[in-house]
Amino acid sequence: NAGVTQTPKFRVLKTGQSMTLLCAQDMNHEYMYWYRQDPGMGLRLIHYSVGEGTTAKGEVPDGYNVSRLKKQNFLLGLESAAPSQTSVYFCASGPKRGEYFGPGTRLLVL
Amino acid sequence: SQELEQSPQSLIVQEGKNLTINCTSSKTLYGLYWYKQKYGEGLIFLMMLQKGGEEKSHEKITAKLDEKKQQSSLHITASQPSHAGIYLCGADFNYKLTFGKGTLLTVNP
Repeated sequence: NAGVTQTPKFRVLKTGQSMTLLCAQDMNHEYMYWYRQDPGMGLRLIHYSVGEGTTAKGEVPDGYNVSRLKKQNFLLGLESAAPSQTSVYFCASGPKRGEYFGPGTRLLVL
Repeated sequence: SQELEQSPQSLIVQEGKNLTINCTSSKTLYGLYWYKQKYGEGLIFLMMLQKGGEEKSHEKITAKLDEKKQQSSLHITASQPSHAGIYLCGADFNYKLTFGKGTLLTVNP
C-alpha cells in the first residue's frame, strides 16, 4: 500500500493563479481531510469528506473548494491564490477520522 | 479560546530520562488522538484513546485518557534521540479533529 499520497510536493504560484492539490489513498477509507499548517497557528481544517460525493466546510474554508468524485481521491482547489494561502497543506484519511497523513504540499504564493 | 491546550510547549530532556506531555480539552472528549511530526514531514499516527481510563502503549510511549478531567497524557520512558520531534494531540469533535499546537521535544544525547 502506498498509504496517503499528495501531489505536488512543492509549488510556487503567483497571486491570482489557480491550482489543484491531489490527495490519493489506497486504504478504502471513508473519511478524508484537508488541513493547512502555519507557524503559530497549528493545524487547521479546511474541508473534509465523510464519503464519496460528500464534502463539508472546516474551520478555514474561504478561498478553497474541494471535490470527492472518487472514494480514493480528495481534491483541493485554489481558484485565485493569495499570499495568505502560503502554507503547508496536509491531507489525511482514516476509517474513523484522519489517522493517516500524507507527506504534505508546500505552497508559496508570491 | 483554544479548545485543546498542550503543555509544555517545548521540552528538552537528557537521553534516558522520562517525560510527560499533557493535552487538556475545554470540551468533553469522545476520542483523543496522538501524533508525532518531524520537522518538514507529515504526521505519524501513534495511538487513539476513546474510553475514560483507557491506556495504550506504542513501543516506549504510553498514553492515558482521563475523561473526567478532559485530559490525556503522553509518557515516554527512557527517552532516546529518535523520540525527538513535535507531538500533537487531536480531539474528535463532531467528525473532525481539532489539534493542539504541539509540544516540541528535544532529546540530548
